[in-house]
Amino acid sequence: SQQGEEDPQALSIQEGENATMNCSYKTSINNLQWYRQNSGRGLVHLILIRSNEREKHSGRLRVTLDTSKKSSSLLITASRAADTASYFCATARAWSGANNLFFGTGTRLTVIP
Amino acid sequence: DTEVTQTPKHLVMGMTNKKSLKCEQHMGHRAMYWYKQKAKKPPELMFVYSYEKLSINESVPSRFSPECPNSSLLNLHLHALQPEDSALYLCASSQALGGSNEQFFGPGTRLTVL
Repeated sequence: SQQGEEDPQALSIQEGENATMNCSYKTSINNLQWYRQNSGRGLVHLILIRSNEREKHSGRLRVTLDTSKKSSSLLITASRAADTASYFCATARAWSGANNLFFGTGTRLTVIP
Repeated sequence: DTEVTQTPKHLVMGMTNKKSLKCEQHMGHRAMYWYKQKAKKPPELMFVYSYEKLSINESVPSRFSPECPNSSLLNLHLHALQPEDSALYLCASSQALGGSNEQFFGPGTRLTVL
């Protein structure tokens, strides 16, 4: 399967705490992207990190990428109740001419007010 | 306009019905996608259109038939579906194939097959 794995599957934290989600994948990639999905809704793109980058920041988000371990992490700092959602990593394969995205299994984050 | 719209939001159909899902974007994107998402699972790619031509079909059963009438519209025609086809169907678009392009997703159509 080309699908990535994410852990934890579910994470529950208090508002103000940091949340860390991990993603592992199996194949060489062009880039790795993180998406957020509110319950039963469409996905929203959060951040993209290229295979030659190791760390990237966007607001309260910090993403790291370790291509030697085929893994990535998403850190959300100072979490808010509105951050409650499912978070998916998605990889675009290195040898694919198309923009296929393969999504990880997702982490369901609950931020308790 | 940075929206991808999908209609209908909800659809209930019998196994003998024919229905269509519609997706529209006005961002000038030339790549459009259909995904299927079962509950508590990640989205799975079904079809990719590039410049209105079918680029990828991820071995989807023929009871799903995609159509791209123009660069802004993407349809998914449904016929003789099975109850296991019940899922959230997501449409997405991106600037073009290849490169490092984020995908913009619509809100989805929740399909129930009775």
